[in-house]
Amino acid sequence: TQLLEQSPQFLSIQEGENLTVYCNSSSVFSSLQWYRQEPGEGPVLLVTVVTGGEVKKLKRLTFQFGDARKDSSLHITAAQPGDTGLYLCAAYHMEYGNKLVFGAGTILRVKS
Amino acid sequence: DAGVTQSPTHLIKTRGQHVTLRCSPISGHKSVSWYQQVLGQGPQFIFQYYEKEERGRGNFPDRFSARQFPNYSSELNVNALLLGDSALYLCASSFDLETQYFGPGTRLLVL
Repeated sequence: TQLLEQSPQFLSIQEGENLTVYCNSSSVFSSLQWYRQEPGEGPVLLVTVVTGGEVKKLKRLTFQFGDARKDSSLHITAAQPGDTGLYLCAAYHMEYGNKLVFGAGTILRVKS
Repeated sequence: DAGVTQSPTHLIKTRGQHVTLRCSPISGHKSVSWYQQVLGQGPQFIFQYYEKEERGRGNFPDRFSARQFPNYSSELNVNALLLGDSALYLCASSFDLETQYFGPGTRLLVL
């Protein structure tokens, strides 16, 4: 069982559509991070959410941390082909030696 | 400023061989971490080094080892390669031990 469960695993949408991807856990986290990884590249940090219920916006991307700090969502408005990539959530967890643990990711493909 | 650099970019080895992967952190970063990312999965933590000392180790066999040099660059060594070691190996550097900046990775194929 993964510490962080991401859904859906794969999403293929048309340019201009909205989408939401999820990151869920039964554990409580002090913070949670979202990364985007493009083919042939390493993950790039998009945002860190810290406070339960927190909402952060990064242009067309909206990140929310659950009130109980167990889950998070990423909403993209009017998706563009440049949003294509692997979206990963990650968190530090004491049971894992307080090292960064990643979910399996959501592969997003935006077609023009 | 240059980001995290890794070499080589791609590598093909056969089972039983040894491999050394290299990483240069962002200037000023004293921490380097290594991750393994197999196809369809997120990165899995292997090692973290800070100021040349190992600070953490993930659930990997002793065939995996690493070290950090005085200039903060790092090497990841894998002995007795298995087919299952085929993966993208990512290096990340950090200034504050929390925010990780990843390199492009080394793609290793074991035949």
